[in-house]
Amino acid sequence: EVQLVESGGGLVQPGGSLRLSCAASGFTFSTYWMHWVRQAPGKGLVWVSRINNDGSTTSYADSVKGRFTISRDNAKNTLYLQMNSLRAEDTALYYCARQGRRYNSGWSPGEWFDPWGQGTLVTVSS
Amino acid sequence: QSALTQPASVSGSPGQSITISCTGTSSDIGGSNYVSWYQQYPDKAPKLMIYDVSNRPSGVSNRFSGSKSGNTASLTISGLQAEDEADYYCSSYTSSSTLVVFGGGTKLTVL
Repeated sequence: EVQLVESGGGLVQPGGSLRLSCAASGFTFSTYWMHWVRQAPGKGLVWVSRINNDGSTTSYADSVKGRFTISRDNAKNTLYLQMNSLRAEDTALYYCARQGRRYNSGWSPGEWFDPWGQGTLVTVSS
Repeated sequence: QSALTQPASVSGSPGQSITISCTGTSSDIGGSNYVSWYQQYPDKAPKLMIYDVSNRPSGVSNRFSGSKSGNTASLTISGLQAEDEADYYCSSYTSSSTLVVFGGGTKLTVL
């Protein structure tokens, strides 16, 4: 069974740091691109960051650029999100999600998210 | 304010069909065939329902269908069932530095 399990969330003061983890199982983690998506309480989904399968390429939403760092350890089948200089507006449930793949003379990334983890809650408050 | 615009709520009776719209710009929906739709129950993770505008993943009911015209994508659910009551989000890849944008979500109520 394909599974993504996030951890590392919690309560942190403004300006503080947290590192989120996402443990993957049931698939060949090193062949998939991965994302972080967040959802503030009672609000919609917001894309945060993406990393390619070998960790050499990353992308970030403007709202987190320079503060958050996405990384992965393919030997441990784990995705990370290092969050620094946290702000109240970063309060949200953080989901990791696997990017899809399509086959066209070989596998290439597909532009959808499937599956998603259950999320880990980050609360930034004094 | 979300990058893609969805109605806040839609409703329908069991057996009826409903359509949820998702409006963007030429930089996202209008310029991309990479529109996807997600279903989310309260306190649950989102689930992929449609990808590449109109493709259904294995296991998703054929009552769910997707389409696109210009800058607007649509999700249609036919033969509404009580279990379809959930929030639905559209998503599109973009040509900007914000790689992916989502709609604000639509709450579907089955009357």
